[in-house]
Amino acid sequence: NAGVTQTPKFQVLKTGQSMTLQCAQDMNHEYMSWYRQDPGMGLRLIHYSVGAGITDQGEVPNGYNVSRSTTEDFPLRLLSAAPSQTSVYFCASSYSGRSINYGYTFGSGTRLTVV
Amino acid sequence: AQTVTQSQPEMSVQEAETVTLSCTYDTSESDYYLFWYKQPPSRQMILVIRQEAYKQQNATENRFSVNFQKAAKSFSLKISDSQLGDAAMYFCAFLRGSNYKLTFGKGTLLTVNP
Repeated sequence: NAGVTQTPKFQVLKTGQSMTLQCAQDMNHEYMSWYRQDPGMGLRLIHYSVGAGITDQGEVPNGYNVSRSTTEDFPLRLLSAAPSQTSVYFCASSYSGRSINYGYTFGSGTRLTVV
Repeated sequence: AQTVTQSQPEMSVQEAETVTLSCTYDTSESDYYLFWYKQPPSRQMILVIRQEAYKQQNATENRFSVNFQKAAKSFSLKISDSQLGDAAMYFCAFLRGSNYKLTFGKGTLLTVNP
C-alpha cells in the first residue's frame, strides 16, 4: 500500500552511539517532516524539508541531522545518542500548495530507547 | 509562533453518548488549516477531520464534527454515538498556509466506557 514507511520500528541504543532512522514515501509528496513524541508534550517538529535538497530546522533540532537527496527519502540521523533522545519518532509527508489541506500522512513510528 | 492548547488532558464518555474535545489556538495568520488526529494504542496517527480557515461551514465526517469559531480561535471536536474503537489520544493541530509546519497540542486521552 502507498504511504510512509519508517524503519526500524524499535531500537535500543547505548549512549554515544549513532544511528539513522529511515523514512520513505511513495506518494510524490514534496513536504516531509520528522517529529518526536514524548508523554505530555504532544508531537514536536525536529526537522523538515520542502523538497529535494532543501531542509530546515524545526522546534527541537539539536542532536539530529537530516538530508534529502531524493523526493522519496528523508533519513534522520542521531549523531551521538543521549538518554534525552529516548522517544517515539514519526516521519510525515504531504503535498504542497492548496493540497496541504489534506493534511500530513504519518509513518507508523519508531520507538527509540537510549540507555 | 503558533500555539495550540488542549485544556483537557483526559476525558471519558459512555458508549453511544456524545463527547466534545476542546482546542484553542493562537495565531495572527489568516491563511491556515486545522486538523484533529487520532492516535490509538497502535501508535498510528490517523487524520480524523480537517477545516480550512476561510471556510465558515463546520467540517463533518460521519460521527465526527467540529465547531470552528474563528474569532474565538476555537476548534472543538464532537464525537457522536461514541464507540469503543474511538478510545484513543486525540491531537489538535494547526498548519500555516505559508510554511507548512504542523503544530500540535499536547493531546487529550479519550476513554470510552461500555
